[in-house]
Amino acid sequence: AQKVTQAQTEISVVEKEDVTLDCVYETRDTTYYLFWYKQPPSGELVFLIRRNSFDEQNEISGRYSWNFQKSTSSFNFTITASQVVDSAVYFCALSEETGANNLFFGTGTRLTVIP
Amino acid sequence: EPEVTQTPSHQVTQMGQEVILRCVPISNHLYFYWYRQILGQKVEFLVSFYNNEISEKSEIFDDQFSVERPDGSNFTLKIRSTKLEDSAMYFCASALAGMYEQYFGPGTRLTVT
Repeated sequence: AQKVTQAQTEISVVEKEDVTLDCVYETRDTTYYLFWYKQPPSGELVFLIRRNSFDEQNEISGRYSWNFQKSTSSFNFTITASQVVDSAVYFCALSEETGANNLFFGTGTRLTVIP
Repeated sequence: EPEVTQTPSHQVTQMGQEVILRCVPISNHLYFYWYRQILGQKVEFLVSFYNNEISEKSEIFDDQFSVERPDGSNFTLKIRSTKLEDSAMYFCASALAGMYEQYFGPGTRLTVT
């Protein structure tokens, strides 16, 4: 069965610090996709990134970077030089090829960036 | 930029009443989803819809729930007889194709009293 674990419930950092949000997943499928979504205090879910299981290249987008390691079933998210606007709940999610592409979400990590 | 819209933003209803939550997915998307998030908890999958039929549904999506795409733009979730435990934020999402990123609407907060 599929599972997404975000062990860090809450993290607080001071502005400009780097922070890494951990995500560990379980799946029996060989083809799957991993996602990160941001949920700011306003409540909407904002898509950040999608990676497929065959592409282990790390990705960088501005201050955001993602490290995908199949060997450890992890898909970690790093924010460099954090800003107050980064304060949100961040969800990691998994989609399997054998399913109807629905997303299985982790429990989320609440990030608070202190000015 | 195209976006998913949902109405109403907040719905208060009494236990046992029927509610219909409405969504307008992104126009060229083919896959549609409903998720819910009980306050402070994770987002849970309810149902996926493709080619005018349900593709998959979770254990949460029991006989009290139904979905419909009544026309070319709307996608609705109906709860026939609401219970207190149905109180949650309901998110609609759409995707261009299977396994693609899903774009979420702003959600409808349902409060059952």
